[in-house]
Amino acid sequence: DVKVTQSSRYLVKRTGEKVFLECVQDMDHENMFWYRQDPGLGLRLIYFSYDVKMKEKGDIPEGYSVSREKKERFSLILESASTNQTSMYLCASSPLMSSGPYNEQFFGPGTRLTVL
Amino acid sequence: DQQVKQNSPSLSVQEGRISILNCDYTNSMFDYFLWYKKYPAEGPTFLISISSIKDKNEDGRFTVFLNKSAKHLSLHIVPSQPGDSAVYFCAASEVGNTPLVFGKGTRLSVIA
Repeated sequence: DVKVTQSSRYLVKRTGEKVFLECVQDMDHENMFWYRQDPGLGLRLIYFSYDVKMKEKGDIPEGYSVSREKKERFSLILESASTNQTSMYLCASSPLMSSGPYNEQFFGPGTRLTVL
Repeated sequence: DQQVKQNSPSLSVQEGRISILNCDYTNSMFDYFLWYKKYPAEGPTFLISISSIKDKNEDGRFTVFLNKSAKHLSLHIVPSQPGDSAVYFCAASEVGNTPLVFGKGTRLSVIA
């Protein structure tokens, strides 16, 4: 079974703090993604990566950065956390080309971040 | 502009009846469509998918229908069960290694 793990289920930080959210997948997937989920807004793509050291901006990259130094690990960084970044953050991974459902993404359990 | 739209934020259905969740899209380049199910405090899990070359795909109680000319797809759940209560996301992708585009989700409540 594909497993995507996220470092924390719940996190509380203060405004202005630097925040690291870590994601690890164990299926040797090339693609990794970071989303945030907010009520009424669905899943919005922040950043994604097709390969080590590669990154692409998603729909809402402002205020975020990412790091992918190893294939299995994709980190989301909030350089200076703000209250409007309070959200559920979801990491996902997928193979480059799959023999099964095409472009199916596998999600982690999510991190509920609260910025005070 | 939203490329994938789920116009019903919520749906309530009685146990045993059919649940129909709808999804519209605007991008004619979308080639593959997926439905995900999400429980509170968990990540979304893949439910069922359909390729643009098909108009129907069935998996147990779940059937997805695709109407390419109308740019519309729907998920049918028959019979609905209380454990189906969750948020359902419609997603689409173009050919190639591109990210999925998600709708805003529909919260399904199945009442016993």
